[in-house]
Amino acid sequence: NAGVTQTPKFQVLKTGQSMTLQCAQDMNHEYMSWYRQDPGMGLRLIHYSVGAGITDQGEVPNGYNVSRSTTEDFPLRLLSAAPSQTSVYFCASSYSYGRGVGGSPLHFGNGTRLTVT
Amino acid sequence: AQRVTQPEKLLSVFKGAPVELKCNYSYSGSPELFWYVQYSRQRLQLLLRHISRESIKGFTADLNKGETSFHLKKPFAQEEDSAMYYCALSSPSGTYKYIFGTGTRLKVLA
Repeated sequence: NAGVTQTPKFQVLKTGQSMTLQCAQDMNHEYMSWYRQDPGMGLRLIHYSVGAGITDQGEVPNGYNVSRSTTEDFPLRLLSAAPSQTSVYFCASSYSYGRGVGGSPLHFGNGTRLTVT
Repeated sequence: AQRVTQPEKLLSVFKGAPVELKCNYSYSGSPELFWYVQYSRQRLQLLLRHISRESIKGFTADLNKGETSFHLKKPFAQEEDSAMYYCALSSPSGTYKYIFGTGTRLKVLA
């Protein structure tokens, strides 16, 4: 299993440009999510999905769009990039959110480092 | 509201010294708590979770519901423990959100 795969690893955008960060998992996980990691802010949830066709907002959704047409893929779209979106983005998935004894820990991708100038 | 607080941004200890990374949470119910670790140039990975009551790499964490804490402890720090540590909470039902603390960077000095 490749686990959670994110592409690209690095990206530089100019203000106003749009792009899509790709995330794919091959573990048949129901739950997928996007986080951004900023110094001193920890990991903040952008959007998440509990299954194909179902998405919802996290703490910091503004400026981002997601869709979940398949179980495997959960792309994150930046509609019009802004310098405030300079960050490291992580995709994470888990087998089955919250169900069963012990919870279901997240599996993370390697991250995408995005710089917006 | 759900919240996870890690009061220390940076914790420096000498090799062989005990380590305690603090984590406090607010949640009205029975949350599930996790510690994740990010070593240099590696992806975030699960270190341990409270329900398992296990020791991973010498680390343990006990859920204290009275103090709403889930501190991570290790009796003797090793240089390879240097990393970023995140405490996280998930609610067993409802909001479907994993909430992370701001993280603590642990530096183990030789």
